[in-house]
Order: sequence, then C-alpha cells, then structure tokens
Amino acid sequence: ETGVTQSPTHLIKTRGQQVTLRCSSQSGHNTVSWYQQALGQGPQFIFQYYREEENGRGNFPPRFSGLQFPNYSSELNVNALELDDSALYLCASRGGPGELFFGEGSRLTVL
Amino acid sequence: DQQVKQNSPSLSVQEGRISILNCDYTNSMFDYFLWYKKYPAEGPTFLISISSIKDKNEDGRFTVFLNKSAKHLSLHIVPSQPGDSAVYFCAASPDLNSGGSNYKLTFGKGTLLTVNP
Repeated sequence: ETGVTQSPTHLIKTRGQQVTLRCSSQSGHNTVSWYQQALGQGPQFIFQYYREEENGRGNFPPRFSGLQFPNYSSELNVNALELDDSALYLCASRGGPGELFFGEGSRLTVL
Repeated sequence: DQQVKQNSPSLSVQEGRISILNCDYTNSMFDYFLWYKKYPAEGPTFLISISSIKDKNEDGRFTVFLNKSAKHLSLHIVPSQPGDSAVYFCAASPDLNSGGSNYKLTFGKGTLLTVNP
C-alpha cells in the first residue's frame, strides 16, 4: 500500500482525442511526478510538480501537460492522442529521502 | 541513448539459490540508485536503494552493490523465493535528497526474474 491512487485503471481512446488521468497522493507529499511505461520498456519521466508548479520535464512534447492541486491530487492531460501514446501511465509521490512511491497506473490504449 | 542498461531481459533461478540482477549506467552525474520490483497489473514497488558514497546496502534478503568506477550495480537476493518472481527495474537519479527536478528517475528496461520451486 503506497497511498498513491490513480484513475481510471484502464481506458480506450481514439487518435486525435484528449485524455485526463488522475492521481491522488498521500497528505504531505508535495512532489508528484508522472511516468510513461510503454510495453517492454522501463518507465520514462514525463514531468514533475512541486507545490503546484512544474519544475522538471522529460523529453515529451507540449501536448503532455499536467496540474497539481493543493489537496495533493494531480492530473496528466494528453491532447491530440497518437497511437504511440498507448502505454501505462504511472504517478509517483515522494516519500522519504530517496524514495518514490508509485500508484498502480492507468493503462491507456489509443486506437 | 540508454543511460541505464539492464542487459539481461530475463533470469531463471531455483528456489533457495541466489539471484543476481545486474545494471550498468553511463551518466556520471547519477548519484543515487534504486531497485524497484513490479508485478503484473501493479505499479513499481520500491525495494532498496544506495547512495554513491556507499558500495553496499543490505536489507534482509536483498543486498545492492555499487561499483562506481565501473558504473555498475547489482542486486543480490538470497535465498530466492517463488514470491520474488517479478520484473526488477534499476533506476538512477542525480540526487534524490535535493529539490528541483532531481527527483527524476531514469529507469532500465527491467529484468524478469522467475524463481522456480
């Protein structure tokens, strides 16, 4: 039990659509990051939010955007979906030094 | 360009024996290394970590060794149990104790460990 919950667990979209994925982390965890895990790959860093501001971004285009809210929840938004966006999207919040706790992920399929 | 490499996609071990999972990295700025375990349909679970100021960290059956000069780390599981069967990810970061964007983890592709009864 990591205290990080994500929704929805599975969803199917079509190319060109938009999607919003949600994450709720433990109280007091004011840093949240999002990762994309494609099939057969390790998780790849998308971006990180600290106190509601983006303060780190990986190699993802601007159509990937996010929000963090004061209640320790956050969102990942992806516009103009492409087939290659099909992946498991993981939310992680910071626990103690050197630890990130991951949610179970949202599996997105783009048709 | 893969900065964290796990060259063995899979490993099969007999119950009770030692499992050794290997990881290599190329970025000299990496200062903190972690191992995560992942079961199907679950998110990665933190297992053990090591800072670059150490060469060994132990937690029960799990030990991580770091060879900074070789840019190599390994995870030893002794004794291996069938419940250890999962995908193991090696991850690295510049420094997870500071602020800013340094919580970014760079992951390897993972090694599927199968422990046979």
